[in-house]
Amino acid sequence: DTAVSQTPKYLVTQMGNDKSIKCEQNLGHDTMYWYKQDSKKFLKIMFSYNNKELIINETVPNRFSPKSPDKAHLNLHINSLELGDSAVYFCASSQDPTGGSQETQYFGPGTRLLVL
Amino acid sequence: RKEVEQDPGPFNVPEGATVAFNCTYSNSASQSFFWYRQDCRKEPKLLMSVYSSGNEDGRFTAQLNRASQYISLLIRDSKLSDSATYLCVVNMYRDNYGQNFVFGPGTRLSVLP
Repeated sequence: DTAVSQTPKYLVTQMGNDKSIKCEQNLGHDTMYWYKQDSKKFLKIMFSYNNKELIINETVPNRFSPKSPDKAHLNLHINSLELGDSAVYFCASSQDPTGGSQETQYFGPGTRLLVL
Repeated sequence: RKEVEQDPGPFNVPEGATVAFNCTYSNSASQSFFWYRQDCRKEPKLLMSVYSSGNEDGRFTAQLNRASQYISLLIRDSKLSDSATYLCVVNMYRDNYGQNFVFGPGTRLSVLP
């Protein structure tokens, strides 16, 4: 069984369109994340949700809106897509202990977005 | 200064070589540390956690120096299958903020036959 799954795997769309990417985890984790990996392969966090509540919201355009209907799902909606949005988007999850411990993240397979 | 920095790479080494990767982090409040591996066109996957006392997993050895804010990964007897990008990851847990995993830019390794 896939621990963290994303759909779609590939997304090719025109500039100006609105699209959504879905993520689901079956690990029972409390925290989910969206990352963007651009053409230079640098992995950068966009959002983090803990138990459906937004925790981290890095500086991303407000065309990007995450939504967490429950703690197992974190979707990413993107309005008015631009050429620069082309990248691989990874969803991840982790448990969120109250103390510092060696907690790790589990990543989904990624969604390759190409904006034409 | 970036929060997590790594050797720029790429590293091209022959099979059987020993290779070392270095990583430094800027936030002294960082609490936990990891090495992830990312194969081409795949998601990052945990390679190993890094403990203060240093730890080993087969051919892989990780070291942490909190005073110098430095992490290393040593791969002995490298295999073709070790070819990948190695990502240094630092977790800065913050009260009311949860976990914040910060990824380094990665170091690419190619093991040549």
